[in-house]
Amino acid sequence: QLVLTQSPSASASLGSSVTLTCTLSSGHSGYAVAWHRQQPEKGPRFLMKIDSDGFHTKGVGIPARFSGSSSGAERYLTISNLQSEDEAEYYCQTWGTGIHVVFGGGTKLTVL
Amino acid sequence: QVQLVQSGAEVKKPGSSVKVSCQTSGFTFSSYAITWVRQAPGQGLEWMGGVIPIFASPKYAQKFQGRVIITADESKSTAYMDLTTLRSEDTAVYYCAKGDTIFGPVDLWGRGTLVTVSS
Repeated sequence: QLVLTQSPSASASLGSSVTLTCTLSSGHSGYAVAWHRQQPEKGPRFLMKIDSDGFHTKGVGIPARFSGSSSGAERYLTISNLQSEDEAEYYCQTWGTGIHVVFGGGTKLTVL
Repeated sequence: QVQLVQSGAEVKKPGSSVKVSCQTSGFTFSSYAITWVRQAPGQGLEWMGGVIPIFASPKYAQKFQGRVIITADESKSTAYMDLTTLRSEDTAVYYCAKGDTIFGPVDLWGRGTLVTVSS
């Protein structure tokens, strides 16, 4: 079964860096994922798609301080120079061709 | 400007139906997938299904099979999500989103439509 696992919460200081992790279920380590940010009381916004080899494609207007990488079944979103507007819920998304689309449970990022 | 504009909030009675629209602009509507994702209060994102207008063959999550109908009107560049037999657990914000394929990443989201199911 295709499942994505995310830590419920993370925190980091203003101006620092943080890496969020999204883990694919067993047998699905070759899948790509997409990352989305949802600021409080707003709809989600696409950040990037990350392939299994770490190649990532960012959405329109996403700044360079957002980057992505992969290792095995894990897909990472790294945010550098944290800003107050980065305090948000972050969701990863994956898909099985012709089967279904799943989202992770989300990670709530607090900027200290 | 590429954008998705959704219809306004709805309040519905249990057992009734709701139809949410998603008017698009700035891209070739027929060639891209429009998918629907919902978010219950305080909860995460849940994929419901999607359609590529030029193929007009919607796909649905198993959970919603038989209760949701997703359509697209190419003349209006607008997609619709019809959810029937509403229950209180369907209270959620419903988002439309654009992607290259139905089973793939979405790269643009609408602002969402709040549907409240209450007697």
